[in-house]
Amino acid sequence: EAQVTQNPRYLITVTGKKLTVTCSQNMNHEYMSWYRQDPGLGLRQIYYSMNVEVTDKGDVPEGYKVSRKEKRNFPLILESPSPNQTSLYFCASSPGSIFREQYFGPGTRLTVT
Amino acid sequence: SQQGEEDPQALSIQEGENATMNCSYKTSINNLQWYRQNSGRGLVHLILIRSNEREKHSGRLRVTLDTSKKSSSLLITASRAADTASYFCATLLKTSYDKVIFGPGTSLSVIP
Repeated sequence: EAQVTQNPRYLITVTGKKLTVTCSQNMNHEYMSWYRQDPGLGLRQIYYSMNVEVTDKGDVPEGYKVSRKEKRNFPLILESPSPNQTSLYFCASSPGSIFREQYFGPGTRLTVT
Repeated sequence: SQQGEEDPQALSIQEGENATMNCSYKTSINNLQWYRQNSGRGLVHLILIRSNEREKHSGRLRVTLDTSKKSSSLLITASRAADTASYFCATLLKTSYDKVIFGPGTSLSVIP
């Protein structure tokens, strides 16, 4: 089944404790992206990647890191999480060009205390 | 900054009625997409309309795009309770080819 998977789905952590949210897609998509969703703000793009080893900042990259060492994986790293990073995070992938539709993962609900 | 802005923020209708949601954006776009989200779950792509298209249909969905007014509308005809969800428009900025901007969404409730 074609899908985007994220792990973990739920995470509660404390300020400053490094964490990684994994994202994997099995559709051989070139484009991958991370978003955060907050009430009343819709989805905001954090980072995106056009292909392996090619990443770029979105609208809200501060406090986040990403890497794209393999085509299928695009982990999101929070080196020192803070409470304002409490949010619902989505990974998405898209074939070839962003002109095409994006396929979203199920989301990771992160709480930083 | 948010490029797309949906209107209304919330909409409640009876089953069988039509639902119309609007999206406005500020800068030139390559395309505009509509997505549906059920209660905190992942977004599902509904329809994509390119900047050189004016109207597109997919089943009970009809999307229009007016680039002169920088606006788009999503019409859901003969709504069903299962259409209850949040609907988002997303635009691809011409100034930054790969960046997609989502609006805050319209929350649709379809009452059986």
